[in-house]
Amino acid sequence: ILNVEQSPQSLHVQEGDSTNFTCSFPSSNFYALHWYRWETAKSPEALFVMTLNGDEKKKGRISATLNTKEGYSYLYIKGSQPEDSATYLCAFGGGSYIPTFGRGTSLIVHP
Amino acid sequence: NAGVTQTPKFQVLKTGQSMTLQCAQDMNHNSMYWYRQDPGMGLRLIYYSASEGTTDKGEVPNGYNVSRLNKREFSLRLESAAPSQTSVYFCASSEAGTSKTQYFGPGTRLLVL
Repeated sequence: ILNVEQSPQSLHVQEGDSTNFTCSFPSSNFYALHWYRWETAKSPEALFVMTLNGDEKKKGRISATLNTKEGYSYLYIKGSQPEDSATYLCAFGGGSYIPTFGRGTSLIVHP
Repeated sequence: NAGVTQTPKFQVLKTGQSMTLQCAQDMNHNSMYWYRQDPGMGLRLIYYSASEGTTDKGEVPNGYNVSRLNKREFSLRLESAAPSQTSVYFCASSEAGTSKTQYFGPGTRLLVL
C-alpha cells in the first residue's frame, strides 16, 4: 500500500483567509497527482490532475502546485468562502494501475 | 447524461443478510471501482475492474465480492453482512490509466444491525 499523506487532517479558517494544505506521496514512479473536492453528503468531484513536475493549475480561487522530485503537492485557496468548506482529497497515480487516495483535509470556513 | 448511478441510496440490513449494490455508468469507461468511506479513513478501495471481464482486489476486499456484468455495470455483493460493513459505499468509473479522473456515483449508505 502506497503512503499518501495529507496534512493537516482538518482546518478551521475565517471567511476571507487564504489557506493551503499538503499532499505528500512517493517521489519515485510518478504518473499523476489528482485533487478532488468532496462536499458533505455529496460525492467527490475532480479539481485538478497534474502530470509534470512544476505543474501549476488554477480554477477560480483554488490553485495547486506539484513537486514530483520531492514528492509533494500544495493546494491553495485564496480568500476562503463558506462554500469552500469541504474535504479535499489527493490521489497519487504511480506505477500501479489505479491511484491511491490520501485521507483528506477537512476545511471548514467560518462566516 | 446520468454519469454514474448507484442503487439503492440507503439500506438497512440485519447481520448475516446478503445484498447487492448496483452501479452503472454511461460514459463508456473501461475502468470501474468500489470504495467505502468511513470516518477519518477517507476512501478505501474494495475492488476494481480495469476492463470488462476483469476484477481485482483493492485494499479492503474481505467480506465482499464483485461482478463486472458488462462494460456499463459493476456490482458489489455482501454475502453475509456484518456490523463492520456499516459504511457509505461509492462506485466510480474512469478511462483506463492512473492519470485519468475518476467520476463518482452519489453513494449508498448501508447500516448493518
